[in-house]
This record gives sequence, structure tokens and C-alpha cells, in this order.
Amino acid sequence: DAGVIQSPRHEVTEMGQEVTLRCKPISGHNSLFWYRQTMMRGLELLIYFNNNVPIDDSGMPEDRFSAKMPNASFSTLKIQPSEPRDSAVYFCASGTSSSRADFGPGTRLTVT
Amino acid sequence: QKEVEQNSGPLSVPEGAIASLNCTYSDRGSQSFFWYRQYSGKSPELIMFIYSNGDKEDGRFTAQLNKASQYVSLLIRDSQPSDSATYLCAVTRETGRRALTFGSGTRLQVQP
Repeated sequence: DAGVIQSPRHEVTEMGQEVTLRCKPISGHNSLFWYRQTMMRGLELLIYFNNNVPIDDSGMPEDRFSAKMPNASFSTLKIQPSEPRDSAVYFCASGTSSSRADFGPGTRLTVT
Repeated sequence: QKEVEQNSGPLSVPEGAIASLNCTYSDRGSQSFFWYRQYSGKSPELIMFIYSNGDKEDGRFTAQLNKASQYVSLLIRDSQPSDSATYLCAVTRETGRRALTFGSGTRLQVQP
């Protein structure tokens, strides 16, 4: 099992640009989570999907953020336009009905 | 009040000692409790989960849960320098919001 796959691993972009982060969950997992981690705020849930349906997006900071899960094996998190305060490590995690989550390696985003 | 509270540390223990990591949570509806370990620059990895009051042991790790006191702890016996990491406590409900809510983590340093 390859685990959760995220791409890119590092992203450096300029303020105002669109950023798209990608995630492939573990096969057979029916829940997918997007988390953001910063020193100041720790690990925060942005959105989670169950069976490809968004269940809770209350953590999405604002309209600049959007997430999709078109099928069971792929999800994207998009930021448009990006701002310096979006700089963080973004983790995708997947899980089953037991609620445990297995994390991907993360995408380190730097917005200058 | 944060939903999940942890002392940020660092907690410093000598090699071979018992490390005790503590976590309190505010939502009485919480049903499942997880401990994740995160090495610097890496993603969180699950090391223990517990659902019922009492103790659960797995190798050198013991998770303890007291729902009446809304308290969960992790004991690491025979601590090793390789245990030095940040330990994240996470909770979830079995119904309703099932995504993990994380504490800010406790940094553990095991001194050789």
C-alpha cells in the first residue's frame, strides 16, 4: 500500500496566484480530510468528505478556498487568489468508518 | 476554551524513564481518542487509539482514558531518544462531526 499520496510536496508561489493541491487517498478508505498546519494555529481541519460528499467545510477559511472530490481516488484543494497568510503545510488524510486518519506527507506551501 | 488542550512542553525525560503526556477535551460527546506522533518535518502518524474508559497497552505505549474527567493520557515506558517528537492528541465524535480535532501537541525530548 502506497499510503496517501500528495502533490506537489513543495509549492512556492506569488501572492494572487492560484494554487492547486492534489491528493490520492488510500484505496478502500471512504473518508478524506484536508488539514492545515502552522506553528501558530496547529493542525486545523479545513474540510472532510465521506464517500466523496463534503460533510463539513466549516474550517475552510474563506471563499478563496475550495475543495473537490470527483471520485473515490482523487481530491483537490484550490486557493484562488493565494495570500502570504496561506503559507502552511497542507495535509491530506484518509480513513474508514472507525474515524482514524492516515496522513499523507503534506504539501509545504509558501506564498510570497 | 480550546476543544483539545495539551501542554506544549517541551517535556524532557532521561532515557529509560517513563514519559507521561496529558490531554483534556471539552466536548462530552467525544467518543474516540487518538495519539499521533509527529517528527519534525514529517506528517503525523497514529500510534494509539482508545474508545473505552481505562487503560490500553501496546508495547511500550499505554493510553489511559477517563471520560468522567474528560482526560486522556499517553505513557511511554523505557523512553528512547527516538521517541523525541511532538505528540498530538485527537478526539472525534462517533456521530455528527466525525473528523479528528487535534490538540496543539506536546514536544517530548528524551535525553540520552
